[in-house]
Amino acid sequence: DAGVTQSPTHLIKTRGQQVTLRCSPKSGHDTVSWYQQALGQGPQFIFQYYEEEERQRGNFPDRFSGHQFPNYSSELNVNALLLGDSALYLCASSLGLLAEGHEQFFGPGTRLTVL
Amino acid sequence: DAKTTQPPSMDCAEGRAANLPCNHSTISGNEYVYWYRQIHSQGPQYIIHGLKNNETNEMASLIITEDRKSSTLILPHATLRDTAVYYCIVRAPGTYKYIFGTGTRLKVLA
Repeated sequence: DAGVTQSPTHLIKTRGQQVTLRCSPKSGHDTVSWYQQALGQGPQFIFQYYEEEERQRGNFPDRFSGHQFPNYSSELNVNALLLGDSALYLCASSLGLLAEGHEQFFGPGTRLTVL
Repeated sequence: DAKTTQPPSMDCAEGRAANLPCNHSTISGNEYVYWYRQIHSQGPQYIIHGLKNNETNEMASLIITEDRKSSTLILPHATLRDTAVYYCIVRAPGTYKYIFGTGTRLKVLA
């Protein structure tokens, strides 16, 4: 049973560029959440997708957008990259919208470096 | 937003129980407490969660106070591989997002 997978593992971009990160949820899960983790800090919630719609959003600008596909996989897009976007980007999947105490399972993350 | 408070760091001798405390005084009645750990920038690993009653699984035990304002994660026999940052998390009220705090950096000493 495959867990949460993310691609790519590492990515280097320059300021102003755009990036797309990908996530495949754990088998049987239908909800995907994205988090940004700066060095030395806890993960910060970006947004959550369920039934191909964004259901909840954290305090991130519109440069951060996402998508969920019918097979439940998801993409995170970041436009006009800034140096401060350098971070570990984590994807987490769960069954349902966490309203019933279901835990999230995290992927290994994508390390984004913006130069 | 819901908020948790944890000590920034703790040490524990190998083979001894590690008791990691967490305060979550703003938790509401139907919100769960979740514990995760993160080893050296890998993705956070789920440990356990609970609502009111104490919980135990193969990894750890979770003790939640009767007023639900605090909890303790217990690793009964800590090993060197348990060295990690441990996060206590509650869900932000009325939302579906986890709020991570700063976590406790647990160091298990040989």
